[in-house]
Amino acid sequence: AQSVTQLGSHVSVSEGALVLLRCNYSSSVPPYLFWYVQYPNQGLQLLLKYTSAATLVKGINGFEAEFKKSETSFHLTKPSAHMSDAAEYFCAVTTRGYNKLIFGAGTRLAVHP
Amino acid sequence: GAGVSQSPSNKVTEKGKDVELRCDPISGHTALYWYRQRLGQGLEFLIYFQGNSAPDKSGLPSDRFSAERTGESVSTLTIQRTQQEDSAVYLCASSFGTGDEQFFGPGTRLTVL
Repeated sequence: AQSVTQLGSHVSVSEGALVLLRCNYSSSVPPYLFWYVQYPNQGLQLLLKYTSAATLVKGINGFEAEFKKSETSFHLTKPSAHMSDAAEYFCAVTTRGYNKLIFGAGTRLAVHP
Repeated sequence: GAGVSQSPSNKVTEKGKDVELRCDPISGHTALYWYRQRLGQGLEFLIYFQGNSAPDKSGLPSDRFSAERTGESVSTLTIQRTQQEDSAVYLCASSFGTGDEQFFGPGTRLTVL
């Protein structure tokens, strides 16, 4: 069975500060990992994905995530937060040939001026 | 091109009534997924279609829930005898094939009074 834990349901940062959203996964087979973002009243949008290639993955809007097998983690980072980054972020896991995503509970990011 | 669309965007119903939620996937996408997002929680997988067949129904919470897909296009999720715990946002996603990126619709917010 697979599962995802996102530490911190709410994260608040100042504009220009580092963004760090934490995701830990559990999987008995090599995982594929995803970060999605959900802006208010919009559908989920894929930020980035890890599918067993490079462990450091770059996504849209300046976000990146690093797959660390030893720590079973896939934390999302952005060097400098922008007001427009305020949204809810979801980490998800699946396996090769997947048909369903297993999501974490989400982290709501607030960005203050 | 058009993304995944869902209708209605909002549905308020009384306990015990049946509801139908519709999903129009991206044209040409053979895989279609239904997820449920309860307030403050992550997305829960409900069911997956490959073409018109559903190889994985493992997430349907009870026999009150059913889904069908016709013409490898539109899908309908039906909830019979709705209960208050069915209140959630129901999200649909589609992908070109199994293992490809899933594109999400904006969801249907269901409220059961």
